[in-house]
Amino acid sequence: DGGITQSPKYLFRKEGQNVTLSCEQNLNHDAMYWYRQDPGQGLRLIYYSQIVNDFQKGDIAEGYSVSREKKESFPLTVTSAQKNPTAFYLCASSIPGTASYEQYFGPGTRLTVT
Amino acid sequence: SQQGEEDPQALSIQEGENATMNCSYKTSINNLQWYRQNSGRGLVHLILIRSNEREKHSGRLRVTLDTSKKSSSLLITASRAADTASYFCATARITTDSWGKLQFGAGTQVVVTP
Repeated sequence: DGGITQSPKYLFRKEGQNVTLSCEQNLNHDAMYWYRQDPGQGLRLIYYSQIVNDFQKGDIAEGYSVSREKKESFPLTVTSAQKNPTAFYLCASSIPGTASYEQYFGPGTRLTVT
Repeated sequence: SQQGEEDPQALSIQEGENATMNCSYKTSINNLQWYRQNSGRGLVHLILIRSNEREKHSGRLRVTLDTSKKSSSLLITASRAADTASYFCATARITTDSWGKLQFGAGTQVVVTP
């Protein structure tokens, strides 16, 4: 089955620790995205990548970092500099070069930092 | 900042009734998309309408777009309990800086009771 996988589904960390969220896709999409969702709110863009070895900051990149070494993978690191990291994190991918920008989403990772 | 604003924030209806939700946005767009999110899950793309289209249908879904009013509506006809979810509009604006990026609204939470 083609799709996007995120792991783990639930993640618990102590304050001050960095944590890396995994996102893998086998859709052969060039573009990948990370979003943050807080309760009762919409999605806010953290980082996005249009192609391997290139990525851009989104609207709320502070305290986060990413890498894009492979087309299939776009891991997100939540650093200790992120002031309020507890949230639901969603990864998505899309086919660039089309006018639609329809995005395909993974199941999400719920991160709780205490 | 979030581009789309959905209205109402929450909607409760009975099975068989129609559900209508609205989305307003602020800047010019290339297309507007609607997504559904079941509780604790990723988003699923429902339908896309381009800026030069006024109405689009997909199964029980009907989307309208009024670019002069910068607004869109999503109608779900003959609702079912399985339609219970949050619905988000997302706008795409193709510029050098915003290529491939979607701006999401805060969503409308729909509850369909049997």
